[in-house]
Amino acid sequence: DTEVTQTPKHLVMGMTNKKSLKCEQHMGHRAMYWYKQKAKKPPELMFVYSYEKLSINESVPSRFSPECPNSSLLNLHLHALQPEDSALYLCASSSQGRGNYGYTFGSGTRLTVV
Amino acid sequence: GENVEQHPSTLSVQEGDSAVIKCTYSDSASNYFPWYKQELGKRPQLIIDIRSNVGEKKDQRIAVTLNKTAKHFSLHITETQPEDSAVYFCAASITGSARQLTFGSGTQLTVLP
Repeated sequence: DTEVTQTPKHLVMGMTNKKSLKCEQHMGHRAMYWYKQKAKKPPELMFVYSYEKLSINESVPSRFSPECPNSSLLNLHLHALQPEDSALYLCASSSQGRGNYGYTFGSGTRLTVV
Repeated sequence: GENVEQHPSTLSVQEGDSAVIKCTYSDSASNYFPWYKQELGKRPQLIIDIRSNVGEKKDQRIAVTLNKTAKHFSLHITETQPEDSAVYFCAASITGSARQLTFGSGTQLTVLP
């Protein structure tokens, strides 16, 4: 399995809702990432997990809460989002070893906040 | 932190012509430089990458060159085809432990039939 699977593919939520995005990989990668991407812009890093521990938080508002239950799963819990949070949320994973460098991106969750 | 600049922001070429996209980076510690192609509504897909111990890498119609001294790297696409039309992102990172990719701002490539 050489893929990163994200669910759901599309999500519409109100500003008072609570929802979660899910990401799963079975490549044995020990680093996992959440990126946010606006239309025609590059992906922006949100969080990095290394060996299931949060190692980087790029000053993301607390309405986004990441969770890494195990080495294969990464969640992003959403609460009280704003319309400007509407974007494509991408999960990625990578190997920690020096011999491997590439990221594998999931297909993303297209989030619309209404 | 790392800063990656990418030019041009848009590029139109005739089918069959070559396309060149250029990036510069700021952190001399960066040693891994991937290029991603992103079609509308889809995920970024790695198309080629280069490590800092290599000056050039080629894969069929795609090549990447790296000049470590000048801190710039370029993507070359030859014999362009309409299906090459997409947004291309360069990126830079430091290999080893969990690392963040710093992306360039992207180039919208349009191949005109």
